[in-house]
Amino acid sequence: DVKVTQSSRYLVKRTGEKVFLECVQDMDHENMFWYRQDPGLGLRLIYFSYDVKMKEKGDIPEGYSVSREKKERFSLILESASTNQTSMYLCASRTTPGERGTEAFFGQGTRLTVV
Amino acid sequence: LAKTTQPISMDSYEGQEVNITCSHNNIATNDYITWYQQFPSQGPRFIIQGYKTKVTNEVASLFIPADRKSSTLSLPRVSLSDTAVYYCLVGAFNDYKLSFGAGTTVTVRA
Repeated sequence: DVKVTQSSRYLVKRTGEKVFLECVQDMDHENMFWYRQDPGLGLRLIYFSYDVKMKEKGDIPEGYSVSREKKERFSLILESASTNQTSMYLCASRTTPGERGTEAFFGQGTRLTVV
Repeated sequence: LAKTTQPISMDSYEGQEVNITCSHNNIATNDYITWYQQFPSQGPRFIIQGYKTKVTNEVASLFIPADRKSSTLSLPRVSLSDTAVYYCLVGAFNDYKLSFGAGTTVTVRA
C-alpha cells in the first residue's frame, strides 16, 4: 500500500516562529502536493512539485515556501507563522500523470494552530 | 484548468441513491474527470475517474454525457458511512497541478 506520512498530527506554534511540516512518501512518486483545508473552503493548493528540487506555486502560495531535496520528502515551510495560517495541512503524492492521469494519495493531515 | 461547480451540500437517507452533479462547461478535449471522497478527519481518497460515457466500480458510477459539460457521481444505496465530502476535479491527463474546490458535503441520515 502507498503510504504518505506527515510528521505531526497536531502542532501548536507561536506567531512569528518558523514552522516546518514534513511529508514522506514510500512509492517513488514524482508529483507531490501541499494543501490547506479550512471550513467551507475545501482543499486549496499551496505548492506542488513534479521532481526533486522542482517546485511550482499553487493557488495560495503567499506566506509559504517548500523544499524538495529528496524524491520521497516534500517539506512545507512557514517562514513566519501567523494566526491566519491556523489550518489543517494535507500532503499528497502521485506518480507522473500520463495518458490517463493518476490518483493521488493523501496523508492524514497536520492540524496546525498558531497562537 | 476547467472550473467546476458542484452543490455545497446534499442530504440523504440510508438506502437511497445519491447523485451529485458537477458542471464543467469549459472542459477541454484532453481533460478527464476525477472524483475524490473525504471522510471526517482523513485525507481525500480517489474513488472514480472517467473521460466519457459511463464508468462503474465497486464504490460508485460516473455518468458523463456526450458534450462532457457536466458529470454525475452516483452512489447506490448509501449508508451512514458514506457521509463525506465529495470533490469533482477536471484536468488534463499530463497536468502536474491538482486543484480541488470546496466539494459537496453529503450527509446520510438513518
